[in-house]
Amino acid sequence: GESVGLHLPTLSVQEGDNSIINCAYSNSASDYFIWYKQESGKGPQFIIDIRSNMDKRQGQRVTVLLNKTVKHLSLQIAATQPGDSAVYFCADNTGGGNKLTFGTGTQLKVEL
Amino acid sequence: KAGVTQTPRYLIKTRGQQVTLSCSPISGHRSVSWYQQTPGQGLQFLFEYFSETQRNKGNFPGRFSGRQFSNSRSEMNVSTLELGDSALYLCASTEAGADTQYFGPGTRLTVL
Repeated sequence: GESVGLHLPTLSVQEGDNSIINCAYSNSASDYFIWYKQESGKGPQFIIDIRSNMDKRQGQRVTVLLNKTVKHLSLQIAATQPGDSAVYFCADNTGGGNKLTFGTGTQLKVEL
Repeated sequence: KAGVTQTPRYLIKTRGQQVTLSCSPISGHRSVSWYQQTPGQGLQFLFEYFSETQRNKGNFPGRFSGRQFSNSRSEMNVSTLELGDSALYLCASTEAGADTQYFGPGTRLTVL
């Protein structure tokens, strides 16, 4: 079936460095993609989203890049801070409507 | 605005029992989606309600059901609980016409 997957289960970065979290999707019909951050004991927190008619979208310290040719999505976090330590999930609307299909998540660890 | 609220935050039940979880969406949001999160299966879509009607459904057995009230608050019910139902149950609300889903803190259900 269709799925959204992440390349790495864990990513360790030094404080102040940039982080790049990658995600692959398989359904070329997906037209909406979203990144969430989940800290321990909390629900997923919206970070940024992008529609398929865009290649790039920027937020505060975050950028999402979408490559539809290779079905690849990435989240870039600039100047990573200890508070960025969390699990990051990508998701798409493969299921249609508000049915999100989530990737397995990447644990981001920020080293001081 | 207040965020999505879920009650209770923690529940312990035994096999065979049933449970009801509650979700209050962000004020003005009319769509509520439910997800199950487990270490093994990750985040999986259960169902979505909009204007008191189920609009989308995931691949879960009929023991999982839900409803939405006229004030957009939603409940989900799990009957005949099994050990494998132990999970974090998350609900998310979406503004009508928008895509972004905002999650609540979840209800941690433990089935003994």
